[in-house]
Amino acid sequence: TQLLEQSPQFLSIQEGENLTVYCNSSSVFSSLQWYRQEPGEGPVLLVTVVTGGEVKKLKRLTFQFGDARKDSSLHITAAQPGDTGLYLCAGELEFTGTYKYIFGTGTRLKVLA
Amino acid sequence: DAGVTQSPTHLIKTRGQQVTLRCSPISGHKSVSWYQQVLGQGPQFIFQYYEKEERGRGNFPDRFSARQFPNYSSELNVNALLLGDSALYLCASSLDLWDRGPNYGYTFGSGTRLTVV
Repeated sequence: TQLLEQSPQFLSIQEGENLTVYCNSSSVFSSLQWYRQEPGEGPVLLVTVVTGGEVKKLKRLTFQFGDARKDSSLHITAAQPGDTGLYLCAGELEFTGTYKYIFGTGTRLKVLA
Repeated sequence: DAGVTQSPTHLIKTRGQQVTLRCSPISGHKSVSWYQQVLGQGPQFIFQYYEKEERGRGNFPDRFSARQFPNYSSELNVNALLLGDSALYLCASSLDLWDRGPNYGYTFGSGTRLTVV
Protein backbone atom coordinates (compact mmCIF):
# COMPACT_ATOMS: atom_id res chain seq x y z
CA THR A 1 0.00 0.00 0.00
CA GLN A 2 1.44 3.33 -1.05
CA LEU A 3 1.39 5.95 1.65
CA LEU A 4 2.05 9.65 1.47
CA GLU A 5 2.62 11.21 4.86
CA GLN A 6 2.37 14.92 5.44
CA SER A 7 3.74 16.85 8.37
CA PRO A 8 2.75 18.64 10.35
CA GLN A 9 -0.91 17.62 10.44
CA PHE A 10 -1.97 20.93 11.98
CA LEU A 11 -0.29 24.31 11.99
CA SER A 12 -1.48 27.54 13.56
CA ILE A 13 0.74 30.57 12.99
CA GLN A 14 0.63 34.34 13.12
CA GLU A 15 0.36 36.47 10.00
CA GLY A 16 3.81 37.23 8.59
CA GLU A 17 5.49 34.04 9.78
CA ASN A 18 7.12 31.51 7.46
CA LEU A 19 6.27 27.82 7.37
CA THR A 20 7.20 24.59 5.62
CA VAL A 21 4.98 21.58 4.99
CA TYR A 22 6.51 18.22 4.16
CA CYS A 23 5.23 15.32 2.07
CA ASN A 24 7.10 12.01 2.32
CA SER A 25 6.79 8.53 0.85
CA SER A 26 8.80 5.40 0.18
CA SER A 27 7.37 5.31 -3.38
CA VAL A 28 8.86 7.01 -6.42
CA PHE A 29 6.38 9.25 -8.21
CA SER A 30 6.16 10.32 -11.84
CA SER A 31 5.02 13.71 -10.65
CA LEU A 32 3.70 15.35 -7.52
CA GLN A 33 0.99 17.93 -7.13
CA TRP A 34 0.02 20.28 -4.36
CA TYR A 35 -3.59 21.27 -3.81
CA ARG A 36 -5.36 23.60 -1.40
CA GLN A 37 -8.83 22.82 -0.17
CA GLU A 38 -11.29 25.19 1.49
CA PRO A 39 -14.15 23.89 3.66
CA GLY A 40 -17.04 22.56 1.56
CA GLU A 41 -15.06 22.76 -1.66
CA GLY A 42 -12.96 20.42 -3.76
CA PRO A 43 -9.16 20.67 -3.81
CA VAL A 44 -7.70 23.31 -6.14
CA LEU A 45 -4.46 22.56 -7.95
CA LEU A 46 -1.57 24.84 -7.00
CA VAL A 47 1.39 23.30 -8.81
CA THR A 48 2.75 20.18 -10.47
CA VAL A 49 6.42 19.19 -10.14
CA VAL A 50 7.85 16.53 -12.40
CA THR A 51 11.65 16.49 -12.33
CA GLY A 52 13.69 15.39 -9.31
CA GLY A 53 15.07 18.49 -7.60
CA GLU A 54 12.64 20.79 -9.38
CA VAL A 55 11.70 24.02 -7.63
CA LYS A 56 8.64 26.05 -8.58
CA LYS A 57 7.47 29.34 -7.16
CA LEU A 58 3.95 30.68 -7.01
CA LYS A 59 4.07 34.16 -5.46
CA ARG A 60 4.92 33.53 -1.79
CA LEU A 61 4.76 29.72 -2.16
CA THR A 62 7.83 27.67 -3.06
CA PHE A 63 7.49 24.01 -3.99
CA GLN A 64 10.34 21.53 -4.22
CA PHE A 65 10.38 17.96 -5.50
CA GLY A 66 12.98 15.70 -3.87
CA ASP A 67 15.92 14.50 -5.95
CA ALA A 68 14.69 10.89 -5.73
CA ARG A 69 11.08 11.96 -6.48
CA LYS A 70 9.85 10.42 -3.21
CA ASP A 71 9.22 13.60 -1.25
CA SER A 72 8.28 17.22 -1.60
CA SER A 73 8.02 20.38 0.44
CA LEU A 74 5.89 23.50 0.35
CA HIS A 75 7.31 26.69 1.89
CA ILE A 76 5.15 29.74 2.48
CA THR A 77 6.83 33.07 3.11
CA ALA A 78 5.08 35.77 5.14
CA ALA A 79 1.87 33.81 5.57
CA GLN A 80 -1.43 35.67 5.30
CA PRO A 81 -4.91 34.79 6.62
CA GLY A 82 -5.93 34.02 3.02
CA ASP A 83 -3.45 31.10 3.07
CA THR A 84 -5.64 29.31 5.60
CA GLY A 85 -6.85 25.94 4.35
CA LEU A 86 -6.07 22.25 3.96
CA TYR A 87 -2.93 21.60 1.93
CA LEU A 88 -2.75 18.24 0.16
CA CYS A 89 0.07 16.66 -1.77
CA ALA A 90 -0.70 14.00 -4.38
CA GLY A 91 1.82 11.66 -5.96
CA GLU A 92 1.29 10.22 -9.41
CA LEU A 93 1.84 6.49 -9.83
CA GLU A 94 1.88 5.00 -13.31
CA PHE A 95 0.45 1.60 -14.13
CA THR A 96 0.08 -0.21 -17.42
CA GLY A 97 -2.07 2.03 -19.56
CA THR A 98 -3.10 4.35 -16.78
CA TYR A 99 -2.10 6.18 -13.64
CA LYS A 100 -3.57 7.23 -10.33
CA TYR A 101 -2.90 9.90 -7.75
CA ILE A 102 -2.26 9.01 -4.13
CA PHE A 103 -3.17 11.83 -1.79
CA GLY A 104 -1.40 12.67 1.39
CA THR A 105 -3.00 12.92 4.79
CA GLY A 106 -3.20 16.71 4.58
CA THR A 107 -1.87 19.67 6.56
CA ARG A 108 -4.45 21.99 8.02
CA LEU A 109 -3.06 25.52 8.17
CA LYS A 110 -4.57 28.40 10.07
CA VAL A 111 -3.03 31.85 9.78
CA LEU A 112 -4.12 34.27 12.46
CA ALA A 113 -4.38 37.98 11.73
CA ASP B 1 -16.71 27.87 -19.08
CA ALA B 2 -18.35 25.84 -16.36
CA GLY B 3 -16.06 23.90 -14.11
CA VAL B 4 -16.65 20.37 -12.89
CA THR B 5 -20.24 20.12 -11.67
CA GLN B 6 -21.47 17.54 -9.23
CA SER B 7 -24.98 16.76 -8.07
CA PRO B 8 -26.50 16.64 -5.61
CA THR B 9 -24.42 18.80 -3.28
CA HIS B 10 -25.74 17.14 -0.16
CA LEU B 11 -27.52 13.85 0.43
CA ILE B 12 -28.81 11.98 3.45
CA LYS B 13 -29.47 8.25 3.10
CA THR B 14 -30.36 5.40 5.41
CA ARG B 15 -28.17 2.34 5.92
CA GLY B 16 -28.85 -0.30 3.27
CA GLN B 17 -30.08 2.17 0.66
CA GLN B 18 -28.49 2.83 -2.70
CA VAL B 19 -27.21 6.18 -3.98
CA THR B 20 -26.21 7.61 -7.37
CA LEU B 21 -23.89 10.60 -7.60
CA ARG B 22 -23.42 12.54 -10.82
CA CYS B 23 -20.54 14.45 -12.35
CA SER B 24 -20.13 16.58 -15.45
CA PRO B 25 -16.50 17.24 -16.36
CA ILE B 26 -15.12 20.40 -17.87
CA SER B 27 -16.12 20.67 -21.51
CA GLY B 28 -13.56 18.84 -23.62
CA HIS B 29 -12.20 16.79 -20.73
CA LYS B 30 -12.37 13.07 -21.42
CA SER B 31 -11.13 11.57 -18.17
CA VAL B 32 -13.10 11.45 -14.93
CA SER B 33 -11.92 10.13 -11.59
CA TRP B 34 -13.84 9.61 -8.37
CA TYR B 35 -12.43 10.07 -4.87
CA GLN B 36 -13.83 9.58 -1.39
CA GLN B 37 -12.74 12.02 1.31
CA VAL B 38 -13.61 11.11 4.87
CA LEU B 39 -13.60 14.01 7.31
CA GLY B 40 -10.09 14.91 8.36
CA GLN B 41 -8.35 12.77 5.73
CA GLY B 42 -7.01 13.13 2.22
CA PRO B 43 -9.04 11.90 -0.77
CA GLN B 44 -8.94 8.17 -1.51
CA PHE B 45 -8.99 6.97 -5.12
CA ILE B 46 -12.12 5.02 -6.13
CA PHE B 47 -12.29 4.91 -9.95
CA GLN B 48 -10.81 6.39 -13.08
CA TYR B 49 -12.67 6.45 -16.41
CA TYR B 50 -11.44 7.45 -19.82
CA GLU B 51 -13.42 7.28 -23.04
CA LYS B 52 -16.19 5.38 -21.26
CA GLU B 53 -13.84 2.63 -20.07
CA GLU B 54 -12.72 1.91 -16.55
CA ARG B 55 -8.98 2.51 -16.41
CA GLY B 56 -8.33 2.23 -12.71
CA ARG B 57 -9.99 1.05 -9.52
CA GLY B 58 -9.02 1.72 -5.95
CA ASN B 59 -9.35 -0.54 -2.95
CA PHE B 60 -13.11 -0.25 -2.53
CA PRO B 61 -15.70 -3.05 -2.25
CA ASP B 62 -17.90 -4.15 -5.14
CA ARG B 63 -20.73 -2.13 -3.65
CA PHE B 64 -19.09 0.79 -5.44
CA SER B 65 -19.53 1.01 -9.21
CA ALA B 66 -19.33 3.74 -11.80
CA ARG B 67 -19.77 4.43 -15.47
CA GLN B 68 -18.97 7.13 -17.98
CA PHE B 69 -21.35 8.21 -20.71
CA PRO B 70 -20.67 9.21 -24.35
CA ASN B 71 -20.77 12.90 -23.32
CA TYR B 72 -18.04 12.09 -20.73
CA SER B 73 -20.29 12.69 -17.75
CA SER B 74 -20.12 10.05 -15.06
CA GLU B 75 -22.13 8.41 -12.31
CA LEU B 76 -20.92 6.78 -9.12
CA ASN B 77 -23.23 4.21 -7.56
CA VAL B 78 -22.98 2.86 -4.05
CA ASN B 79 -25.22 -0.02 -2.97
CA ALA B 80 -26.09 -1.28 0.51
CA LEU B 81 -24.87 1.89 2.19
CA LEU B 82 -22.95 1.64 5.45
CA LEU B 83 -22.41 4.32 8.06
CA GLY B 84 -18.74 4.34 7.04
CA ASP B 85 -19.67 5.46 3.54
CA SER B 86 -20.44 8.91 4.93
CA ALA B 87 -17.95 11.18 3.23
CA LEU B 88 -17.38 13.91 0.65
CA TYR B 89 -17.35 12.31 -2.80
CA LEU B 90 -15.20 14.22 -5.24
CA CYS B 91 -15.19 14.06 -9.00
CA ALA B 92 -12.08 15.18 -10.86
CA SER B 93 -11.69 15.73 -14.57
CA SER B 94 -8.61 15.99 -16.71
CA LEU B 95 -8.21 16.81 -20.38
CA ASP B 96 -6.84 13.47 -21.43
CA LEU B 97 -5.53 10.33 -19.83
CA TRP B 98 -1.97 11.40 -20.50
CA ASP B 99 -2.32 15.17 -20.35
CA ARG B 100 1.16 16.47 -19.73
CA GLY B 101 0.78 20.23 -20.08
CA PRO B 102 2.90 22.64 -18.00
CA ASN B 103 0.87 22.30 -14.83
CA TYR B 104 -1.22 19.21 -15.40
CA GLY B 105 -3.41 17.72 -12.74
CA TYR B 106 -6.99 17.40 -11.73
CA THR B 107 -9.78 19.92 -11.69
CA PHE B 108 -12.10 18.91 -8.89
CA GLY B 109 -15.76 19.58 -8.41
CA SER B 110 -17.09 20.85 -5.09
CA GLY B 111 -18.18 17.36 -4.18
CA THR B 112 -21.28 15.61 -2.90
CA ARG B 113 -21.55 15.39 0.87
CA LEU B 114 -23.14 12.01 1.63
CA THR B 115 -24.41 11.30 5.12
CA VAL B 116 -25.57 7.78 5.95
CA VAL B 117 -27.74 7.49 9.05
